Amino acid sequence: GENVEQHPSTLSVQEGDSAVIKCTYSDSASNYFPWYKQELGKRPQLIIDIRSNVGEKKDQRIAVTLNKTAKHFSLHITETQPEDSAVYFCAARLAGNTPLVFGKGTRLSVIA
Amino acid sequence: DVKVTQSSRYLVKRTGEKVFLECVQDMDHENMFWYRQDPGLGLRLIYFSYDVKMKEKGDIPEGYSVSREKKERFSLILESASTNQTSMYLCASSPQTPYGYTFGSGTRLTVV
Repeated sequence: GENVEQHPSTLSVQEGDSAVIKCTYSDSASNYFPWYKQELGKRPQLIIDIRSNVGEKKDQRIAVTLNKTAKHFSLHITETQPEDSAVYFCAARLAGNTPLVFGKGTRLSVIA
Repeated sequence: DVKVTQSSRYLVKRTGEKVFLECVQDMDHENMFWYRQDPGLGLRLIYFSYDVKMKEKGDIPEGYSVSREKKERFSLILESASTNQTSMYLCASSPQTPYGYTFGSGTRLTVV
C-alpha cells in the first residue's frame, strides 16, 4: 500500500519568512495530494490540493508543487504570519475510490 | 455551517465499557471514515465505508467495529474500551471522486 513520509516534524520561522514542508510517497499510482491545516483544538481543514496531471498550484500565499518522477510534493508558504502557526498534514491517494494516506504532520511555528 | 458533526466533544469512559461514537454528515457524501489522532503518529485509519451497510478495515481496526445503517451516519464502536484507546477520534466524509475530506471536530476520548 501507499506510504507517505513528511518532513520536518517541526519547523520554526520568523514572521515574513517562507516555510517549506516536503512529503514523499511510495506508490507511483497515487494521483491526488491534499494538504490540511489543523489549528490547536480544531479540525483539520483542506487548504490546497493538487492532482497528478498538474505540476504546481498556487492560492495566494500558499503553493504546492509535485514532482512525479521523484515522488514528492511540497507545500510552500510565503510571507508567513502568526496565524499560519498550526500542524500541517500532507496526504496521498491512489487512483480510484481509496482512502487518503496521511503523513505524520509538521508543527509550524511562526515567531513574531 | 457545520457539515460533519460528531456527537461528543469529550468523553470519559471506564475500562471494559462499550463506547459509541457517532458521526453525521449533511453533504450527501458516499464515503465516510474514522481516524484516530495521536501525537507523533499522525492520522491513522480505523475503518471506512463507501456505501450504506458497507465497511472496510483500515490500518488499525483491532478493538473497533463500525455501523452504517444510513448514508449520513457512521458510528464507531469500541466493543470493550481499554486505556490504549484513549485518543482523539476524527470522523471525515468525502464524495466518491478524488476530493479532500471534510472532518468533524473530533471526540477526545479518555478511558480510565
